[in-house]
Amino acid sequence: NAGVMQNPRHLVRRRGQEARLRCSPMKGHSHVYWYRQLPEEGLKFMVYLQKENIIDESGMPKERFSAEFPKEGPSILRIQQVVRGDSAAYFCASSPKGDGGTQYFGPGTRLLVL
Amino acid sequence: AQSVTQPDIHITVSEGASLELRCNYSYGATPYLFWYVQSPGQGLQLLLKYFSGDTLVQGIKGFEAEFKRSQSSFNLRKPSVHWSDAAEYFCAVGANTNAGKSTFGDGTTLTVKP
Repeated sequence: NAGVMQNPRHLVRRRGQEARLRCSPMKGHSHVYWYRQLPEEGLKFMVYLQKENIIDESGMPKERFSAEFPKEGPSILRIQQVVRGDSAAYFCASSPKGDGGTQYFGPGTRLLVL
Repeated sequence: AQSVTQPDIHITVSEGASLELRCNYSYGATPYLFWYVQSPGQGLQLLLKYFSGDTLVQGIKGFEAEFKRSQSSFNLRKPSVHWSDAAEYFCAVGANTNAGKSTFGDGTTLTVKP
């Protein structure tokens, strides 16, 4: 059973460009969480999605950030018009239930904005 | 709202010495508690978790943690540290609800002296 997959592992963008981060949950998992880790900090919750639904986006910046988890395909975290402050590691986690239980983390996407 | 405090930003221990990493949490009900380890440039690996029952939980790599409700603590311990344990350690609390995002501490960096 493959683990949580994220791609790309590293992404370089110039200011103003768009960044698209993909997350494929573990097989059988329909709950996906996105977290951001700024340098020298812990992980901060961004958004929680189930298939085709955003359940909790309380940690998402109000502008430029969006997330989706379509019926088919991976979850996408999209950052429009990136700025240097968006440089961070973005982790996706999946779980079979959205009950606070064990979440399985992917290897992360490290975004660098030049 | 849930929160996690890891009071020690950086800890250095000698190889073979014992280790205790502190974690204090704030949550209104019985929490789900986790310890993760992260090596540089890598994702998070789950060391152990507490949901209910026995308050002393055993994890992988010889780690254990004890849940103390009266102290709102979930400290991680290892009797004899190996050089390969050098990494960053994160404590997290999961909401025992149907929107179970995890809240992470800022991490403790462990350095192991030969």
